[in-house]
Amino acid sequence: KQEVTQIPAALSVPEGENLVLNCSFTDSAIYNLQWFRQDPGKGLTSLLLIQSSQREQTSGRLNASLDKSSGRSTLYIAASQPGDSATYLCAVRRGSARQLTFGSGTQLTVLP
Amino acid sequence: DTAVSQTPKYLVTQMGNDKSIKCEQNLGHDTMYWYKQDSKKFLKIMFSYNNKELIINETVPNRFSPKSPDKAHLNLHINSLELGDSAVYFCASSQEVSGLLQYFGPGTRLTVT
Repeated sequence: KQEVTQIPAALSVPEGENLVLNCSFTDSAIYNLQWFRQDPGKGLTSLLLIQSSQREQTSGRLNASLDKSSGRSTLYIAASQPGDSATYLCAVRRGSARQLTFGSGTQLTVLP
Repeated sequence: DTAVSQTPKYLVTQMGNDKSIKCEQNLGHDTMYWYKQDSKKFLKIMFSYNNKELIINETVPNRFSPKSPDKAHLNLHINSLELGDSAVYFCASSQEVSGLLQYFGPGTRLTVT
């Protein structure tokens, strides 16, 4: 059974700092991994999708990496801004399954 | 232009009642999902439909019954609501042929009193 863990559960940083969020998964037979952002009381916004054959994906100030063999992914946020404050969730899709297995998220606060 | 929409956004009801949550996507996707987010913020899959056919049914009480009248809609009906059903329910959709990105709705916060 796939389990997804995110560390830390909460992170507070000053504006402008670069930061890394971690995601680990127990079953390396994944199809893809997706990073989401969830704002309080709102839905999930997809940030990046990494296919199992890829090592990283970039979008603006965000860079996500994937190391399937070690069961790890990181989300790197450069030059953080207060608007980046949200909960960041990673989710993996297993092989033939369609559903996503989510981690519990990292709550990020960027202080102005 | 809303991609995945859910109604209602908030639902407060008493134990024992029956309620429905509606979901619609205008992305032309062929697969839709219902996820439940509990108080600890864990999101867990409940159901998935592909072209109106049930393809995933996790261990969910049979008081929960999804209904897909067409490819663009996946409604969730809940009978005999219990306190433990209180959660945020998210609908999502994806296109299996391409992207595989799942797009999520804004969520429905269900409170059972």
